[in-house]
Amino acid sequence: DSGVTQTPKHLITATGQRVTLRCSPRSGDLSVYWYQQSLDQGLQFLIQYYNGEERAKGNILERFSAQQFPDLHSELNLSSLELGDSALYFCASSPQGGRGRETQYFGPGTRLLVL
Amino acid sequence: GQQVMQIPQYQHVQEGEDFTTYCNSSTTLSNIQWYKQRPGGHPVFLIQLVKSGEVKKQKRLTFQFGEAKKNSSLHITATQTTDVGTYFCAGGPLEGGYQKVTFGTGTKLQVIP
Repeated sequence: DSGVTQTPKHLITATGQRVTLRCSPRSGDLSVYWYQQSLDQGLQFLIQYYNGEERAKGNILERFSAQQFPDLHSELNLSSLELGDSALYFCASSPQGGRGRETQYFGPGTRLLVL
Repeated sequence: GQQVMQIPQYQHVQEGEDFTTYCNSSTTLSNIQWYKQRPGGHPVFLIQLVKSGEVKKQKRLTFQFGEAKKNSSLHITATQTTDVGTYFCAGGPLEGGYQKVTFGTGTKLQVIP
């Protein structure tokens, strides 16, 4: 158990809908990262937050947005969902958001299925 | 932007055979990390290498960081079914004390009993 929690574990929805994925980092970690992993694919970096502020942006679609709250949990919002958005979404956390050479601790993921 | 490629993409081995995955970066890395993702699981940190030419071992796993700090390898001796999973390397430059990590494309290992 990495100490990173993600809810829900599974999510089934329809095209055009909007969903919110939630992540709570490990206790004491200030940074949260979001990744998308499609079937048998690698980890596509979406976005990183550090202490409430956006720190880095990857290949995140305009239909997707995220934020980190004062209690450091983060939410990833996916809107106008398309079939191709079906994937496993991972959240990871690290203590200082990449300061030095940090390890990232991954949550169990949320599996999203868009029908 | 920085690209980190891994080869092979897939590897099937008989149990007891050795396995190697290679990681190549388009830019010089400050360090390299290796993660393992079991089927149905999430990536889990295995090890970090920092120095040029560094070699580290974890039981049957040997990790190497290239002299130019642009490539790395993971070698598993005498694979077991518990080694099944996808292995990712990850790394990036260190700029201003902070590192933006890029994950490699991953190598999926299947071990045939």
